[in-house]
Order: sequence, then structure tokens, then C-alpha cells
Amino acid sequence: IAGITQAPTSQILAAGRRMTLRCTQDMRHNAMYWYRQDLGLGLRLIHYSNTAGTTGKGEVPDGYSVSRANTDDFPLTLASAVPSQTSVYFCASRSTGHFLNYGYTFGSGTRLTVV
Amino acid sequence: AQSVSQHNHHVILSEAASLELGCNYSYGGTVNLFWYVQYPGQHLQLLLKYFSGDPLVKGIKGFEAEFIKSKFSFNLRKPSVQWSDTAEYFCAVNAGNAGNMLTFGGGTRLMVKP
Repeated sequence: IAGITQAPTSQILAAGRRMTLRCTQDMRHNAMYWYRQDLGLGLRLIHYSNTAGTTGKGEVPDGYSVSRANTDDFPLTLASAVPSQTSVYFCASRSTGHFLNYGYTFGSGTRLTVV
Repeated sequence: AQSVSQHNHHVILSEAASLELGCNYSYGGTVNLFWYVQYPGQHLQLLLKYFSGDPLVKGIKGFEAEFIKSKFSFNLRKPSVQWSDTAEYFCAVNAGNAGNMLTFGGGTRLMVKP
């Protein structure tokens, strides 16, 4: 089934540890995004990639890094986790075709708790 | 930068009641507008979207939304809610100058009592 796969589904992480959240899509979408979801704040964009080989910073990029080596994969890395990074992380993708086809596909999320 | 406000953080309704969730955005130019729904434990799903044309947009599961440009609003409505509509609802905006980016509101948690 076409879509986005995120791993792990949940993780408890000690502060100071490094962690990579994985995101893979099989729809050949050009653009991919990482959001974090926090109660009352909705979804906030962390990083994005409009096409393989390019990335950009979103609204809340500090403490996170991404890479886009190919079309399908867009991992998010926390170099040294802090408790404020406790959140639910969603990966999303979209095709960059005609605007009428505009629409994000979301993954099922990764629930991360930093202790 | 564009922003999106959802003023109702929590809404509790009884089944068959009517629903209206507010969404206001701050951007004066051309916008694309969306409502997403997140059922408990699931990822976000698109309810409906507005790009142009008829400002009254109909989506899935009986939801509709009306774009009122003069009020910078895109409120979500449903005439008669069901218990299965219990979820969190997010309004999102893509402004003409923001490329592919969506800006989300803070979300509204709807609980429908059976």
C-alpha cells in the first residue's frame, strides 16, 4: 500500500543521546516535511525538502537536522536530545505537480519522550 | 509570515448537535485553505480544501467549510455530529508566497457525547 512509513512508532530516550527518526515514502513525491505536534500548538514545521539533495529550515529547526540523499528517505536526527523535544513527530510528503493535486500525505507519527 | 488561529481549543457536543469550528488566518494575498482531521491514535487526514471558485466547500463525512475572504476566515461546519466525529481538527493555510509550506492552527479537540 502506497504511503509513508515512520519508525520507530514510539521511543523513550535519555537526554543527551542521539536519535534518528526514519521516514520513507513510496509515492515518488518530490517534497517531504517533518512536523512536530504539541498540545495547543498544532503542527509546527521543523525541516523540509523540496527535492532530493535539497533541504530547508522550517519554523522550529533548532536541535534537529535532516538529509535527503534520495527521493524516498528523509531522516530526522536529534544530535543531543533535550526534554523539550518530547513530542509527536509526523513526516509528510506531497507531489509538486499542478496545484489542484496539492495535498499532503502524513505518516502515522513517532511519539518521542526525552527523559 | 502567515499565521493561523483556531480559537476553540476544546469543544464538547452531544450527538446530532450542529458544529462550527473557527479558523482565521493572517495573509492578505492568495491562499489555499485546508481542514485536516486526526482521529485518536491516527495520522492526519484531509477533510476538505479550498483553492478557488465557490467559497462553500464540501468535504468528506458531511463536513463543509466556507471561505470568507473579507473576514480571513475558513470555518468548518457540520449540521449534525456523530460520536465517530470525536477527533482533533486542524485548519491549515498555504499562502501564495510560501511555496509548498502549510501553516497549521493549534487544533481543536472535539468530543461528541453519545
